Formats: sequence, C-alpha cells, structure tokens
Amino acid sequence: GNSVTQMEGPVTLSEEAFLTINCTYTATGYPSLFWYVQYPGEGLQLLLKATKADDKGSNKGFEATYRKETTSFHLEKGSVQVSDSAVYFCALSVGDTGRRALTFGSGTRLQVQP
Amino acid sequence: GAGVSQTPSNKVTEKGKYVELRCDPISGHTALYWYRQSLGQGPEFLIYFQGTGAADDSGLPNDRFFAVRPEGSVSTLKIQRTERGDSAVYLCASSLGASGANVLTFGAGSRLTVL
Repeated sequence: GNSVTQMEGPVTLSEEAFLTINCTYTATGYPSLFWYVQYPGEGLQLLLKATKADDKGSNKGFEATYRKETTSFHLEKGSVQVSDSAVYFCALSVGDTGRRALTFGSGTRLQVQP
Repeated sequence: GAGVSQTPSNKVTEKGKYVELRCDPISGHTALYWYRQSLGQGPEFLIYFQGTGAADDSGLPNDRFFAVRPEGSVSTLKIQRTERGDSAVYLCASSLGASGANVLTFGAGSRLTVL
C-alpha cells in the first residue's frame, strides 16, 4: 500500500535558521508528492508539489526535490521566520485519473522563535 | 464561492446521536473529498465523489458513515449512532477534476466532539 513517513516534531528553531523536515514514502506506481501546511486556526493549504522524479517544487522560500532513488521529498527553507510556525504535512497521490485521494504523513509541527 | 465552506465549524453531540456535516465546494469543482483528522495525526481519506456519484468510499470506517452529493455540488457527511471514537476534525476538499495534476483545496473543517 501507500504510506508517508515524516520526522516527528515539534521542530523548534530560531528565526533565520535553516529548516529541513524529512519525508519518505512508499507507493505502488509513480506518485505525485506534496507538502501541505496548516497554520493555527486555518485549513490545510498546498505549499508545493512535484509530479515526477527530479522535479523541484518551490513556494514562499520552501523547496523540496522528488528523489525517486531514495523515495524522499524533504522540505527545506534557508531562513525561517516566525510566521512559518505551523504544522507541515507530506502527502502523495498515485494515479492520473479516478481516485485522487491523498495519503498524508502524520505531520511535523514547526515552532520558530524570535 | 471563493473557497470550500464547511458547516458547522464545531459540533458537540452525545453518544448515540445522529450528525450531519455539510460541505460547499468551490463552484465548478467536480471532485469532492471527505477526510477525517484525529488529534496529532494527518488527514485520513473517507470518500471521494466525482459529480454526484461516490467513486470511492473505501475509507468509510463502517456503515454508520454515509455521504451524499445529490446535485453534484454540496455534499453532506452523515454519521449515525455516534461514538466517542468519532470525535475528530472532518475535512472536505474539492478539485477541478480527477486528473493527477489537479490540486485539492481544503475547507477549514468541522470539529466533531462526541461526549
């Protein structure tokens, strides 16, 4: 079956520190990979995505590269801000048509201190 | 509408009661999904609609859970004989279609608490 494993949180960083949140996956077929973010009191929002191997998704200074050889999609940001404090979810979906449901990891809480 | 709207935002009920949760997707989005998110966990898939029909209901935990989308827009998730273990945030998401390139837009969720 399909599954996503994320590093456990919380991750606590000081402002302007470098961020890495690890994500690895198991999938039947060739998945698309996503990072979603959930800010306090808000709904899940798509942060970035990559649909094939070696693709790099990027948004708001965050990046993640689809690594098929290591089945990974680690999230990185060079300099975090207090406003980046949120819960980050790695997710995958398999198949181009039909069921497009996402399989999520358990989430990683990021706390950025000023 | 501009986003996916879910009502109620909070629902407290007693064990054994019946509950309905409503989702109003983005106008024109044909695909609609329900997820359940327990505390400290990622969302878990429940059911997927393409238009009016439930294309995949494999995530529904048991026959107490049912969802409809009679006109291909608004959807209602129905839970009969609620149990304490049903307490969670129920998320709805919609997308333009079912292709791999389409991105899901989530609502803010309905928090269900069963006492």
